[in-house]
Amino acid sequence: EAAVTQSPRSKVAVTGGKVTLSCHQTNNHDYMYWYRQDTGHGLRLIHYSYVADSTEKGDIPDGYKASRPSQENFSLILELASLSQTAVYFCASSPGQGFSDYTFGSGTRLLVI
Amino acid sequence: GDQVEQSPSALSLHEGTGSALRCNFTTTMRAVQWFQQNSRGSLINLFYLASGTKENGRLKSTFNSKESYSTLHIRDAQLEDSGTYFCAVATGGNNKLTFGQGTVLSVIP
Repeated sequence: EAAVTQSPRSKVAVTGGKVTLSCHQTNNHDYMYWYRQDTGHGLRLIHYSYVADSTEKGDIPDGYKASRPSQENFSLILELASLSQTAVYFCASSPGQGFSDYTFGSGTRLLVI
Repeated sequence: GDQVEQSPSALSLHEGTGSALRCNFTTTMRAVQWFQQNSRGSLINLFYLASGTKENGRLKSTFNSKESYSTLHIRDAQLEDSGTYFCAVATGGNNKLTFGQGTVLSVIP
């Protein structure tokens, strides 16, 4: 079954440390996205990509980098983690035409201390 | 300001009853998608609508692009329906989604 798989499921990071969140999709979708969810709020877009080796900024890109080494893989990188980056991070994929096939991963719960 | 506004922000329903959740848009949108975030935090696709009405079991959704709103109707609510319901629209290009703030639904016995 086609899916979006995130790793790790949860992580505790130290302020100032580097954090890498990984996402792998088997949907054969061109588009991949990273969203952030803060407690009690909807999701906000951090970065996205529509082709391998290229990434684009979303609505809240500051403090984050992204990497798309292949169609299947998309990583979110926090070079210097901060307390304000404590959140749940969701990866998603879509085919790009219409969004009825948007598929989300299960989320990564990040706690920065 | 926010392009997608959901109401109510929270709702309690007794099992077997029903209600409607609303999603208002500040500009004309091409389509809307509804998600349920369950107790484990997973996001589940419920409906994608570019127009009209769709129904699936105890859930029904409508999209009125002219008047810039969408609704999600739940009937005969069950305990497993508890969770947060989000509507989202594609803004700009590249299928980037803008989410509403969500409606927290609690179904009580």
